[in-house]
Amino acid sequence: AQKITQTQPGMFVQEKEAVTLDCTYDTSDPSYGLFWYKQPSSGEMIFLIYQGSYDQQNATEGRYSLNFQKARKSANLVISASQLGDSAMYFCAMREGNDMRFGAGTRLTVKP
Amino acid sequence: NAGVTQTPKFRVLKTGQSMTLLCAQDMNHEYMYWYRQDPGMGLRLIHYSVGEGTTAKGEVPDGYNVSRLKKQNFLLGLESAAPSQTSVYFCASSFSRPNSNQPQHFGDGTRLSIL
Repeated sequence: AQKITQTQPGMFVQEKEAVTLDCTYDTSDPSYGLFWYKQPSSGEMIFLIYQGSYDQQNATEGRYSLNFQKARKSANLVISASQLGDSAMYFCAMREGNDMRFGAGTRLTVKP
Repeated sequence: NAGVTQTPKFRVLKTGQSMTLLCAQDMNHEYMYWYRQDPGMGLRLIHYSVGEGTTAKGEVPDGYNVSRLKKQNFLLGLESAAPSQTSVYFCASSFSRPNSNQPQHFGDGTRLSIL
């Protein structure tokens, strides 16, 4: 069974608008961590944001915020005020113990 | 700031050949990981290490071996390469179990083709 599911293979957003990238996860471990990474066309993996399972507040990092709905097991990434440089693949990942699982990714394209 | 360095960046092998991918980090990180990335499947964890001399299996360990003889190096070996192992391989490291203060740092990847 998939541990991390990203249901949007591709998304388009107009420059300066906000966009939400979906991520759902599956775990029975009460302690886990959720990550979002960005992978531009150049190939490197860039850490964006983290949410711990016990964190009470949603994580925010600049234009990135994580909409954490624990009961629904979802950890959606919200990018505000999209920029052309945000065009990339975005991966959701979960840490259970020392194991790390990644979703299949969402390709975001920002239109001028 | 070298960070995480992967060697080589590209390689083409014939089926049945063996090779070793080297990952080196200069951040004194305890944890190191090897992933493979295939189209449409995101990253999958092959093996990982939580410290010098330790290794553990990840999600897709078959066909690979690893060694962590030195804290700064994590080697990934393919004993008998198969076309199914054609992929982009990423190494990552972290100071401890990944969290907000200690996310994984990734290398630039190794593109491996098995003919």
